[in-house]
Amino acid sequence: GAVVSQHPSWVICKSGTSVKIECRSLDFQATTMFWYRQFPKQSLMLMATSNEGSKATYEQGVEKDKFLINHASLTLSTLTVTSAHPEDSSFYICSARDETGRRGLSNQPQHFGDGTRLSIL
Amino acid sequence: GQQVMQIPQYQHVQEGEDFTTYCNSSTTLSNIQWYKQRPGGHPVFLIQLVKSGEVKKQKRLTFQFGEAKKNSSLHITATQTTDVGTYFCAGRQGGGTSYGKLTFGQGTILTVHP
Repeated sequence: GAVVSQHPSWVICKSGTSVKIECRSLDFQATTMFWYRQFPKQSLMLMATSNEGSKATYEQGVEKDKFLINHASLTLSTLTVTSAHPEDSSFYICSARDETGRRGLSNQPQHFGDGTRLSIL
Repeated sequence: GQQVMQIPQYQHVQEGEDFTTYCNSSTTLSNIQWYKQRPGGHPVFLIQLVKSGEVKKQKRLTFQFGEAKKNSSLHITATQTTDVGTYFCAGRQGGGTSYGKLTFGQGTILTVHP
């Protein structure tokens, strides 16, 4: 089945550090990937949609200069949390849909990575 | 914008009891998906409903999509301790772009006491 790999799993760093999170689709192509943030016991909040070869689409209230997204290939999207502060501590999860030779993309399930737990001291 | 409300927020049951979580959208959905997230894990896709009034079953799990395609439910018969986790519905609004943006409900945290 479709597998999404997310790295790293855990990050603990000092305030002011920039943190890069990678999301890879291992056995399928994904022109679109999604980045979510989840606080403890809360739902997944979509932060942005990552588009291969073009600019990401950010949700309302998400600072694009704070959360830099790059989607340089059909299998890799990265999220960089710039100058992270304690309030940025959260669980960040990416997802992707298997788009290989498929129609009706909107009906395809999203496959999630294992997530990255970010703790800013 | 689209809102997806899910209730209840928490549900505690004894093993063997049934469990139901409900999802309600402020707008008509083109499809709705259900995910399960175990404690400390990531969401795992369970099922997708597309058609109005659709009912699908997976062993002890029954999923329904309302006639108006604005609400959905997940029912678990005779819960087991392995059912523990958070169940999320996620709806995609009808029409618009086709890049598959989903809006997640708040989730229902299910605990099962043996």
